[in-house]
Amino acid sequence: AQKITQTQPGMFVQEKEAVTLDCTYDTSDPSYGLFWYKQPSSGEMIFLIYQGSYDQQNATEGRYSLNFQKARKSANLVISASQLGDSAMYFCAMALPTGNQFYFGTGTSLTVIP
Amino acid sequence: DTEVTQTPKHLVMGMTNKKSLKCEQHMGHRAMYWYKQKAKKPPELMFVYSYEKLSINESVPSRFSPECPNSSLLNLHLHALQPEDSALYLCASSQDPGTSGEYYNEQFFGPGTRLTVL
Repeated sequence: AQKITQTQPGMFVQEKEAVTLDCTYDTSDPSYGLFWYKQPSSGEMIFLIYQGSYDQQNATEGRYSLNFQKARKSANLVISASQLGDSAMYFCAMALPTGNQFYFGTGTSLTVIP
Repeated sequence: DTEVTQTPKHLVMGMTNKKSLKCEQHMGHRAMYWYKQKAKKPPELMFVYSYEKLSINESVPSRFSPECPNSSLLNLHLHALQPEDSALYLCASSQDPGTSGEYYNEQFFGPGTRLTVL
């Protein structure tokens, strides 16, 4: 069963604008962790931001923030003031209490236009 | 040192060759992972080592053989691969494997090995 859904295969954003990348998840477990990773064309997966299911506030890391709506089971990534270097694939992932697995979404390809 | 290193960066091999991919981390992490990633797809988990013991094998063909010599090193031995095994192979590590609770440790990924099987 699909646990993480990213419905935007590709997104475009103008440089300096903000962009939201969507992510919804599916689990009946009350305890889980949500992650966003960036993967440039070089291939390395870069950790961006983390949200725990019990966290009361939305996570923020610099220009990245996570819009966590627990009732809707969504964990959208917001990138403010986009830069050309933000062009990459972005993966949403979820970790559950059982085992060491990450469940990855299918990814969103973001292109920042000058 | 918050880095996971992988060697080689690129590897081209024939279907009869034997080769190995190497991964190293010095962050004191006790879980290490191998993923396979095809272009434009998410990473697919292959193996998980927890405290140097194989804890997850996602039904990977036996032509892929993992090895964890110590807590810092993870190898992936390759033998008799097929062209469809060509992919980016990513290694990752994380702290405190298998914990439950409110905090889940992020996985730190290496830069990957781009494997081409001819």
